[in-house]
Amino acid sequence: DIQMTQSPASLSASLGETVTIECRASEDIYSNLAWYQQKPGNSPQLLIYDANSLADGVPSRFSGSGSGTQYSLKINSLQSEDVASYFCQQYNNYPYTFGAGTKLELK
Amino acid sequence: EVKLVESGGGLVQPGRSLKLSCAASGFSFNDYWMGWVRQAPGKGLEWIGEINQDSSTINYTPSLKDKFTISRDNAQNTLYLQMSKLGSEDTAIYYCARGGYWGQGVMVTVSS
Repeated sequence: DIQMTQSPASLSASLGETVTIECRASEDIYSNLAWYQQKPGNSPQLLIYDANSLADGVPSRFSGSGSGTQYSLKINSLQSEDVASYFCQQYNNYPYTFGAGTKLELK
Repeated sequence: EVKLVESGGGLVQPGRSLKLSCAASGFSFNDYWMGWVRQAPGKGLEWIGEINQDSSTINYTPSLKDKFTISRDNAQNTLYLQMSKLGSEDTAIYYCARGGYWGQGVMVTVSS
């Protein structure tokens, strides 16, 4: 199975700040990577697919980048509604696997 | 609008079986792969598996392959997850998913 190592596990940032979350795959996943946002009590919502494509309706302050084994999610100008947990998922190889998640809080 | 609604969850005793359903609407169900993901309380996401359009290909995460079975009924626009030999480790919210679209989830609690 492909292991997805996500960092940091938790993050505290101020409104308006730029934050970056990283995911490292144990082997090349050829940009077959998605990022999800999950707010408490809700199901995960797709933010980014194919490593850098913005899902429908997602604000442009979210962006994804990376290739090979290293990927990142960047949130520009952090808003209060961005407080959530974030997960990466690889869908290059079965079984599809998720990172352990990053909990983003406001400072 | 894509809509996925899970049902069939609840409290079940250890060792018993349970079948979850996912009613799909708002898209042509028989055109898409469908899958299941679960999340234990306060934990991360675990991919369970997915099924192709005509049920000829089903992929599972290896650790669950012998106790979970995914199936679908295209005439009823419904996806299923049959779970057997349930243990406390299977207590989780179970989500039905079509790519980036997820249902609201259904809670399964395994306890005596």
